[in-house]
Amino acid sequence: NAGVTQTPKFRVLKTGQSMTLLCAQDMNHEYMYWYRQDPGMGLRLIHYSVGEGTTAKGEVPDGYNVSRLKKQNFLLGLESAAPSQTSVYFCASSYQAGGHLDTQYFGPGTRLTVL
Amino acid sequence: AQTVTQSQPEMSVQEAETVTLSCTYDTSESDYYLFWYKQPPSRQMILVIRQEAYKQQNATENRFSVNFQKAAKSFSLKISDSQLGDAAMYFCAYRSDYGGATNKLIFGTGTLLAVQP
Repeated sequence: NAGVTQTPKFRVLKTGQSMTLLCAQDMNHEYMYWYRQDPGMGLRLIHYSVGEGTTAKGEVPDGYNVSRLKKQNFLLGLESAAPSQTSVYFCASSYQAGGHLDTQYFGPGTRLTVL
Repeated sequence: AQTVTQSQPEMSVQEAETVTLSCTYDTSESDYYLFWYKQPPSRQMILVIRQEAYKQQNATENRFSVNFQKAAKSFSLKISDSQLGDAAMYFCAYRSDYGGATNKLIFGTGTLLAVQP
């Protein structure tokens, strides 16, 4: 049981390049989330999904796209990377969105640098 | 909109001593959940403890306990018998109980805890 995994762990991009971050969970969770963590700002929600085939915008969605083609995977895409997207990205998943099974479990993070 | 404030950017504690990390939040809602997450140097976010707002009893998990003051909108974390492995960034987080799947976690800016041997 690996929990939540993220690929890659580190990445350096040039401005304008594209990339996809992969999140996978093996806990059969319905809900998945993408956050970014910036110094002095805590974590902020980018996009989330309430189930296979669904996605929704979070607090800071601009410049990102997501897809949830399979229940266990949640992809975060940057079509044209900008230096402002330099951050640590975290994926999380939860069984429910409310109640006592709503605990979000986090992946180890991806450190992205955009030059 | 809800906000979470952690006013202590850094804290230090001696091994085996007790330390309290502060968290205040602002909300007009009556039903919500509060969390403390630990982020060690490995960057992994680990849930330490959670508190349901409707429960008056303070949550405890082994050496970790909270002081939840709903009227004052305060949610502090007490770590007893501090260990070197407790050194980490600690985040306080809020989640509304309204709105279903749109209930996102709102994080504070974190408190970096150092444990001195």
